[in-house]
Amino acid sequence: DAKTTQPTSMDCAEGRAANLPCNHSTISGNEYVYWYRQIHSQGPQYIIHGLKNNETNEMASLIITEDRKSSTLILPHATLRDTAVYYCIVRVTYGNNRLAFGKGNQVVVIP
Amino acid sequence: DAGVTQSPTHLIKTRGQQVTLRCSPKSGHDTVSWYQQALGQGPQFIFQYYEEEERQRGNFPDRFSGHQFPNYSSELNVNALLLGDSALYLCASSLYGNTIYFGEGSWLTVV
Repeated sequence: DAKTTQPTSMDCAEGRAANLPCNHSTISGNEYVYWYRQIHSQGPQYIIHGLKNNETNEMASLIITEDRKSSTLILPHATLRDTAVYYCIVRVTYGNNRLAFGKGNQVVVIP
Repeated sequence: DAGVTQSPTHLIKTRGQQVTLRCSPKSGHDTVSWYQQALGQGPQFIFQYYEEEERQRGNFPDRFSGHQFPNYSSELNVNALLLGDSALYLCASSLYGNTIYFGEGSWLTVV
């Protein structure tokens, strides 16, 4: 599995957009970028994933650079409930079902 | 539509004992994976079950074993418990090759 690099931690202002960066410079052509988050003491929650096009759903937007070596998860209007550890993971979807978690990015939303 | 459900939510075992954790996958899912998450770390892949067979395995000893039933539910068994086995055990399910969803986990404390 390709590795990803994320900040260890970051703070975001409540009500503002939160931009969470991720580097995945060794990503392969058949690997997707997945984002999960884990609120304290709960199971990881799926947020969004993409291959090369930008994606948006009700939770967030995912912007992937044209060379696919990095991506940004955007939480459009951060709330206190968005405080969590955010994991950026690259994964081959078919034939390999595992997720390789790193330590993630501890995001704290500040009032 | 029920998500991934796990039981029990919390349990305490004595060193040397055996434990069984249970998981029901999200409706329509056929693949179950198990992860171990120690405090302050990201989840680590234990193994994956598909069509009632272990398909992939992470770097865990044979004390960790599992089973998948015809209804796709799964069990994780850990024998000869060590203090270091204390962790959050997460079950995840998917329709093979697609997005993975997690349960809330089972907290195991070994004393």
